[in-house]
Amino acid sequence: EIVLTQSPGTLSLSPGERATLSCRASQSVSTSSLAWYQQKPGQAPRLLIYGAFSRATGIPDRFSGSSSGTDFTLTISRLEPEDFAVYYCQQYGQSPFTFGPGTKVEIK
Amino acid sequence: EVQLLESGGGLVQPGGSLRLSCAASGFTFSDYAMTWVRQAPGKGLEWVSSLTGSGDTTYYAGSVKGRFTISRDNSKNTLSLQMNSLSADDTAVYYCAKAKQWLPGNHDYWGQGALVTVS
Repeated sequence: EIVLTQSPGTLSLSPGERATLSCRASQSVSTSSLAWYQQKPGQAPRLLIYGAFSRATGIPDRFSGSSSGTDFTLTISRLEPEDFAVYYCQQYGQSPFTFGPGTKVEIK
Repeated sequence: EVQLLESGGGLVQPGGSLRLSCAASGFTFSDYAMTWVRQAPGKGLEWVSSLTGSGDTTYYAGSVKGRFTISRDNSKNTLSLQMNSLSADDTAVYYCAKAKQWLPGNHDYWGQGALVTVS
């Protein structure tokens, strides 16, 4: 089973700042099969990034994904008020298709 | 417009069974893999089970294997999750989600969830 570790657990930032979220896989994730989701309280998750780099439909370009080996990064270039939420990574290259524990981005 | 509507959640006693359904519309259902993801109160997302567009290949998390059965009826655009031998650890909101392709993968549409309480 591929274990995903996200860091930090909580990120305290102000609107307009840059957010960098990390997701590390315990082993290689095939063909960059890594997605990022955003979840706000009481809502279903929303797909942000798939294939490690590709933005989902309707996602603003302030969200970007990158990878280096087993390390994946979600970057929010300038935080908007609606971006404060919990972010999860998920690998879908190998069953079980595991999620990371999440990073909460909160207003400082 | 893609819509996913879960039903069948509720309160069940430990050891009991429950069947969740997800009614899909707005897309060609049989072309896409489908998934159940759950979220225990105050916790993160946990992948539960997926199946391919045809329904002939299924995948399960270790925590539910042998107790839960995922299935789909492509003629009725419906996804199901039969849950047996439930325990308190299965208490969660259960989301159905549509994959972006025929094989399980990332999920571009999600339902609003069905609450299952085992107590």
